[in-house]
Amino acid sequence: QSALTQPASVSGSPGQSITISCTGSSSDVGGYNYVSWYQQHPGKAPKLLIYGVTNRPSGVPDRFSGSKSGHTASLTISGLQAEDEADYYCSSYTSSSTYVFGTGTKVTVL
Amino acid sequence: QVQLVQSGAEVKKPGASLKVSCRASGDTFTGYYIHWVRQAPGQGLEWMGWSSPNSVDTKHAQRFQGRVTMTRDTSISTAYMELSRLTSDDTAVYYCARETIGTGGMDVWGQGTTVTVSS
Repeated sequence: QSALTQPASVSGSPGQSITISCTGSSSDVGGYNYVSWYQQHPGKAPKLLIYGVTNRPSGVPDRFSGSKSGHTASLTISGLQAEDEADYYCSSYTSSSTYVFGTGTKVTVL
Repeated sequence: QVQLVQSGAEVKKPGASLKVSCRASGDTFTGYYIHWVRQAPGQGLEWMGWSSPNSVDTKHAQRFQGRVTMTRDTSISTAYMELSRLTSDDTAVYYCARETIGTGGMDVWGQGTTVTVSS
């Protein structure tokens, strides 16, 4: 199972919106609504931001939103803040009953 | 507030085996999948496998076929991940993470266990 494809880096200024894409196939992203997104700051464990494509766990700001179209899922961060600077990973359930992560995206707040 | 507390850092020789523990504090594992995820230095997250709430069913990524075993001891709310025939490529931070059934999202993570494989 190959890693899902994400852009290596995305940047934006404070207050702007950015979108991170996550491209897979019909065997993962395109076939199931079990896409999740994680935020990871350096030296820390990942934190769940989005599950089930669009759902936010309690405590996650509504600036973070998820969507999916075909084989590509997306995470949008609205009103970008300095603390949003981190690495972001998508994840999907697969047809093999396994999970796969994306390649990761480094978000820089300019 | 549930926490997952993992065992401490380890240094292993090539060819050795590794066993990492993950204890639930403030809750049990009942009703949750436990995933194992690793991250090599400077690299991304890699999913290794999961153990199901029934403590019997497990599934792992194909690349770990024959090398990984995931178990649970529900009496002490602890999950274990064993990895055999270690090589330097297994040097990584290993995480356990909890998934509530039906969500597909890993909502609680352990603090990570740093494993170094070196001769």
